[in-house]
Amino acid sequence: GAGVSQSPSNKVTEKGKDVELRCDPISGHTALYWYRQRLGQGLEFLIYFQGNSAPDKSGLPSDRFSAERTGESVSTLTIQRTQQEDSAVYLCASSLVGGGGGYTFGSGTRLTVV
Amino acid sequence: DQQVKQNSPSLSVQEGRISILNCDYTNSMFDYFLWYKKYPAEGPTFLISISSIKDKNEDGRFTVFLNKSAKHLSLHIVPSQPGDSAVYFCAATYNNNDMRFGAGTRLTVKP
Repeated sequence: GAGVSQSPSNKVTEKGKDVELRCDPISGHTALYWYRQRLGQGLEFLIYFQGNSAPDKSGLPSDRFSAERTGESVSTLTIQRTQQEDSAVYLCASSLVGGGGGYTFGSGTRLTVV
Repeated sequence: DQQVKQNSPSLSVQEGRISILNCDYTNSMFDYFLWYKKYPAEGPTFLISISSIKDKNEDGRFTVFLNKSAKHLSLHIVPSQPGDSAVYFCAATYNNNDMRFGAGTRLTVKP
């Protein structure tokens, strides 16, 4: 597609439930990133996929968070047993290669855990 | 660890004046710095960048300055326009690794 597509755009879930967030990167972009922005805070790095290399998971806040990416296509971010502090906007970005100004962000998924 | 810091959460300037947004970083390995602009309900969009081998990069009304010895960069917008009102994020990366962002500064340009 023309841009990075994220779905759903909004998600309200009950505490303790699992959620799955989806990101469709720009076709041909080998690098894909997940960030989150909690209210009043900056963009927090979560995970980085680059081609077929092992992902950099150093930003995942707990083992309740996991992400997958099949090849150079869609990625899903899964949060298990959601907690209220997981409420945030989850942003996905893709780029041709890692780093640089070529990041294109999606519009994000606003997750609210009640 | 907060490797990129934007210590001013907000800034308000008059239309036509200069806006100066500041950013500090702690990791001396960073070799590429960027500014992103974010409107509500949208993802951040790339604005301007600078390599660590330069100290200034200009693009129209936007200029980014880098002071490596101080580990400080700034974004100047002149003249500021009401449409510039947004949240501005400073970001840094090294060796094409994942990007680290600051907390953002909300700029309000008053007509």
